[in-house]
Amino acid sequence: AQSVTQLGSHVSVSEGALVLLRCNYSSSVPPYLFWYVQYPNQGLQLLLKYTSAATLVKGINGFEAEFKKSETSFHLTKPSAHMSDAAEYFCAVTSYNTDKLIFGTGTRLQVFP
Amino acid sequence: NAGVMQNPRHLVRRRGQEARLRCSPMKGHSHVYWYRQLPEEGLKFMVYLQKENIIDESGMPKERFSAEFPKEGPSILRIQQVVRGDSAAYFCASSPEKDLGVYGYTFGSGTRLTVV
Repeated sequence: AQSVTQLGSHVSVSEGALVLLRCNYSSSVPPYLFWYVQYPNQGLQLLLKYTSAATLVKGINGFEAEFKKSETSFHLTKPSAHMSDAAEYFCAVTSYNTDKLIFGTGTRLQVFP
Repeated sequence: NAGVMQNPRHLVRRRGQEARLRCSPMKGHSHVYWYRQLPEEGLKFMVYLQKENIIDESGMPKERFSAEFPKEGPSILRIQQVVRGDSAAYFCASSPEKDLGVYGYTFGSGTRLTVV
């Protein structure tokens, strides 16, 4: 079975500060990992995905994530937060032999001026 | 090139009524997935369909919920005799093929169901 744990349901940063959103996964087969962003009352937008190519993945809006197999982690980072980054972020896992994404419970990012 | 279209965006139903949620996948996508997001929670898988076939409904409640994806027209998620606990956001996603690692999902904007 696969699962995702997102540590910290709420993260607050100042504008211009580093953003770090944590995601740890559990999977008995090589995982595919995703980060999605959800703005209020909207659907989910794909930020980036890892599918067994480069371990450092760059996504949209300046976000990136690094797959670390030894730590079973896929943390999301951005060097400098913008006010527009305030949203909820979801980490998700799947694999080649399954037909569904398993989502974490989400992390709400607040950005203060 | 329209994305995944869901309607209605908001739906209010009284307890005991039926709710019908519609999802039109992206052009060229033949795989449809429904997810439910309860307040303050992540998305939970409900059902995976291809045209005229239910492939995986392991996340669907055993009673009152059904889904279809007919040969023509949108996918429908149907909830009979709604209860307050059905209040949630329901998201549809589509994919051109099964391999999510390659194709991923495209999500719709969701239908927010409120049961009063």
